[in-house]
Amino acid sequence: AQSVTQPDIHITVSEGASLELRCNYSYGATPYLFWYVQSPGQGLQLLLKYFSGDTLVQGIKGFEAEFKRSQSSFNLRKPSVHWSDAAEYFCAVGAFTGTASKLTFGTGTRLQVTL
Amino acid sequence: DAGITQSPRYKITETGRQVTLMCHQTWSHSYMFWYRQDLGHGLRLIYYSAAADITDKGEVPDGYVVSRSKTENFPLTLESATRSQTSVYFCASSGTSGGEDTQYFGPGTRLTVL
Repeated sequence: AQSVTQPDIHITVSEGASLELRCNYSYGATPYLFWYVQSPGQGLQLLLKYFSGDTLVQGIKGFEAEFKRSQSSFNLRKPSVHWSDAAEYFCAVGAFTGTASKLTFGTGTRLQVTL
Repeated sequence: DAGITQSPRYKITETGRQVTLMCHQTWSHSYMFWYRQDLGHGLRLIYYSAAADITDKGEVPDGYVVSRSKTENFPLTLESATRSQTSVYFCASSGTSGGEDTQYFGPGTRLTVL
């Protein structure tokens, strides 16, 4: 069965600083990988996804992620964080199980941005 | 474009009562999902549906019942609520079954069981 680990529960960065959120996955086949963001009291919004091709994926809001098969990682990055990026970030791996594609989520990383 | 909506947004109930959480999507997506979100667990899949009248269990289905008589609706019922079912519940939908397909999430229902 697939699994996702987000080793950082909480990260604090200064506005304007760079950001990297870590994600490690376990899956036997080629993974489909996602990053979602959840603002307080809101649902989840897709930031970006990887399913094939270029291992560096660009997303919305200036985020990017790099798929590294050798390290089973899919880390999320942003060169300069804005105060509005404060939210919770979830990494997920998708797997087709015969009837539907199901997502397995990590436990999330809460990002705090200081001014 | 309403997208995917959930109702109610907040619900307080008592142990042993039946509660139904509603989910409605306007995209005619075939696939719909119910998750619960708890601190330290992220989101866990409760049930999912590949089409009308086709449902299947996810990771944590015990204590929940689903139905899908119409493509656009996917209600989740707690037949006899327990305190351990206090959580935030999210509904999601996707258009295809491909592993790369995006799931779109509703705003969530915060359920408190006293």
